[in-house]
Amino acid sequence: DAGVIQSPRHEVTEMGQEVTLRCKLISGHNSLFWYRQTMMRGLELLIYFNNNVPIDDSGMPEDRFSAKMPNASFSTLKIQPSEPRDSAVYFCASSLVFGSRDTQYFGPGTRLTVL
Amino acid sequence: DQQVKQNSPSLSVQEGRISILNCDYTNSMFDYFLWYKKYPAEGPTFLISISSIKDKNEDGRFTVFLNKSAKHLSLHIVPSQPGDSAVYFCAASGSNNAGNMLTFGGGTRLMVKP
Repeated sequence: DAGVIQSPRHEVTEMGQEVTLRCKLISGHNSLFWYRQTMMRGLELLIYFNNNVPIDDSGMPEDRFSAKMPNASFSTLKIQPSEPRDSAVYFCASSLVFGSRDTQYFGPGTRLTVL
Repeated sequence: DQQVKQNSPSLSVQEGRISILNCDYTNSMFDYFLWYKKYPAEGPTFLISISSIKDKNEDGRFTVFLNKSAKHLSLHIVPSQPGDSAVYFCAASGSNNAGNMLTFGGGTRLMVKP
């Protein structure tokens, strides 16, 4: 299994531009988590899904952020418009079973730089 | 308000010695704790976990200790190896959380010197 796949690995954009980050879950997993890592706030949960349905989006910082799961294996995190303070590493993670203590498997992350 | 704290941003240890990484939490509803290891340019990977019904869990060179009264857990690595050099995150989840939502600490960078 290839594990969780994220693209792009690096993204550099200018303030005001739309940014779309992509994530492919491990086959058969049904829970999806988006995290953001910054020096100031560490690793923080933004939103998570179960069976394509958003369960908790209380970590999403602003309305500029949105996330979707158009199907069971794929998710996008969109920032529109982007701002310099959005610069961070964004991780997605998937797990097999929702509602249990199942291990979360992380992707390699997307390093976003907003100029 | 950080519910999970790792107060040491970095730790340097000689190869073969013990590494002790510490983590404190404030939310008394947390009942499951995990350690993740992260290498540069990679995502965190699960290392070891412990439930609040236990006070110790061991897996090879890695042992996690939980002190519920102090709301403190620690990860011991014995003996430390240069390949253990990474950032270590502790994480916690609670029975009041749906699913397996995790709250992470800020991480501790471990450097094991040959």
